[in-house]
Amino acid sequence: TQLLEQSPQFLSIQEGENLTVYCNSSSVFSSLQWYRQEPGEGPVLLVTVVTGGEVKKLKRLTFQFGDARKDSSLHITAAQPGDTGLYLCAGARNTGGFKTIFGAGTRLFVKA
Amino acid sequence: SAVISQKPSRDICQRGTSLTIQCQVDSQVTMMFWYRQQPGQSLTLIATANQGSEATYESGFVIDKFPISRPNLTFSTLTVSNMSPEDSSIYLCSVDSRGLDNEQFFGPGTRLTVL
Repeated sequence: TQLLEQSPQFLSIQEGENLTVYCNSSSVFSSLQWYRQEPGEGPVLLVTVVTGGEVKKLKRLTFQFGDARKDSSLHITAAQPGDTGLYLCAGARNTGGFKTIFGAGTRLFVKA
Repeated sequence: SAVISQKPSRDICQRGTSLTIQCQVDSQVTMMFWYRQQPGQSLTLIATANQGSEATYESGFVIDKFPISRPNLTFSTLTVSNMSPEDSSIYLCSVDSRGLDNEQFFGPGTRLTVL
């Protein structure tokens, strides 16, 4: 069962366009992470959101955690070719020990 | 953060053989994790490796197929046993950040191809 639904699965856009990636669940998470993975490398942590309604900005990237802590979004403004990669959301739940669940990922390709 | 290295970075193996993947961390960590990432897909947790005790395996993964060692707080190995083409995948180790937010740091991965 995929507890974290991530959309879209694939996105190909022109440089300069904006985009939003969504991560949704019916479960409540104690925290949620966003990672970016480039070919041949492991995922690299971008941000962690913890508080419902929290918004964090990392240059052109804006991350939001839903009020109920069940969903999150990643918005990229004026995408650049360097943003190309696989974006993964990951939610942590305390089920007697913390377990992290990864979304299916969004593969982004930004064309110059 | 933690710096994590994995060896080998990639390998091509014959079916029926076994491959051991090493994961080295530059600092002592309590928990190390092994993930599988099949082509074009997300990460699936194989097991959690704890120092001084047996690894904890996720549903669908068993010790006979994926034996894990954790001899100290900076090192772990994952063996992929009796390989078949279905085992072709990227295998990643990760460690937790020791913080409260369950952040993980990942190694670069081992790309395994089974012929």
